[in-house]
Order: sequence, then C-alpha cells, then structure tokens
Amino acid sequence: DIVMTQTPLSLSVTPGQPASISCKSSQSLLHSDGKTYLYWYLQKPGQSPQLLMYEVFTRFSGVPDRFSGSGSGTDFTLKISRVEAEDVGVYYCMQGIHLPYTFGQGTKLEIK
Amino acid sequence: EVQLLESGGGLVQPGESLRLSCAASGFIFNTYAMTWVRQAPGKGLEWVSAISGSGDTTYYADSVKGRFTISRDNSKNTLYLQMNSLRAEDTAIYYCAQAIRWVPVSWGQGTLVTVSS
Repeated sequence: DIVMTQTPLSLSVTPGQPASISCKSSQSLLHSDGKTYLYWYLQKPGQSPQLLMYEVFTRFSGVPDRFSGSGSGTDFTLKISRVEAEDVGVYYCMQGIHLPYTFGQGTKLEIK
Repeated sequence: EVQLLESGGGLVQPGESLRLSCAASGFIFNTYAMTWVRQAPGKGLEWVSAISGSGDTTYYADSVKGRFTISRDNSKNTLYLQMNSLRAEDTAIYYCAQAIRWVPVSWGQGTLVTVSS
C-alpha cells in the first residue's frame, strides 16, 4: 500500500497568518492519464470529514480561495493564505491512484 | 443536496456480525460509486471498501477482506456493509460517502461500531 506522510502533525496559527501542511507519498501519484490523484480533507471538531481539494490543486465546491494546493509526483502542499477561526480541525491528505486508497496521519490545526 | 444517513451501529462481541446501512438522497444514487471509510476512536481515517454504481465491482482494504461485504440496493437508494467475524480493532465510526473514482466526496455523519466483550 502507498504510505502517506504528513508534516507537521500539529500547528498553531495566529488568525490572519498563513499555514502550510506537507504530504509525501511513498509512490508517485501521477497517473498515466496525466492527472495526479492527491486529495485533501478537513475534519472539523465533532464533524465528518469534508473534501477540500481534489487532483492536487482544484478546490471542491464552496471551498474558500484562501485554500490552495500544489505539488507533483510524491510531494504535495496545502496552504492557507490567511487562517480563520473556522479553519480549525484535522487535515488529511489521501492518495487516489492505487487501491486501497490511503490517508496521511492527519495534521491538527489550532488557533493561537 | 446530498444527504447520507448511516445506521446499524452498536455494541457487539468479538466474532459477532453487524450490518450497517446508509440511506442516500439528493442525487441519482445508481450513477455514483459509494464507499465506506472508518475512524477508530481518536485516530485517523481508513478507507474500507467501495462499490460501483451498478454494484458489479467492489473493492476492500486488506484489513477487512473476506470478513466484510459491501452491497447496495439501488431500488431503495441504500448502501450496506455486512461485517462478520468482528474484532476489537474494527471498533470505529463508520462513514459512508458518495464517491467519484472510489474517492469519498460527500460524507454521512457516521455510525459507531464497538466490538468488545
């Protein structure tokens, strides 16, 4: 199975400041169709996970543009340009190229 | 609006069985794959199983293969997960999710399964 490794596992950010989460995969997530199947989810406290980004950099419906995704191959980053209080929770990356799909360990974002 | 409502969770003893259901609404059910993802208490997410829109194709994580069976009834807009030979390590919140390419997109609120003697 593909191993997904996130860093850091936790971060504390002042509102209005940027935040960045790294996700590395043990194998390339570039498919022969030219797409890279890397996804980001956010699980807010007490809620189900919600899809934030798909195929590395495309925001899912309703996701604010302060969220951006980048990367290729095996190295990926989720950035929040200006953290807001509603962004708290645990962020997970997930690979969607080889079944079974696998998630990173999660990165907990807290507000200072 | 996509709505997914899981049910069927509860407390069972090791070795017993349980069937989870997920009632779907707000989309054309038989045109979407569906998945189950679980989360052990205080832990991360684990992709468990997926099924195609027609029900012809299924996939499982190695941890549940041979013990769990995913199925769907498109006439009832309902997804199922039959869980047999349950183990303590199967204790988790089980989420159903509408999927695209087996990728969870819209999630339900989850149902808790506890396996304990």
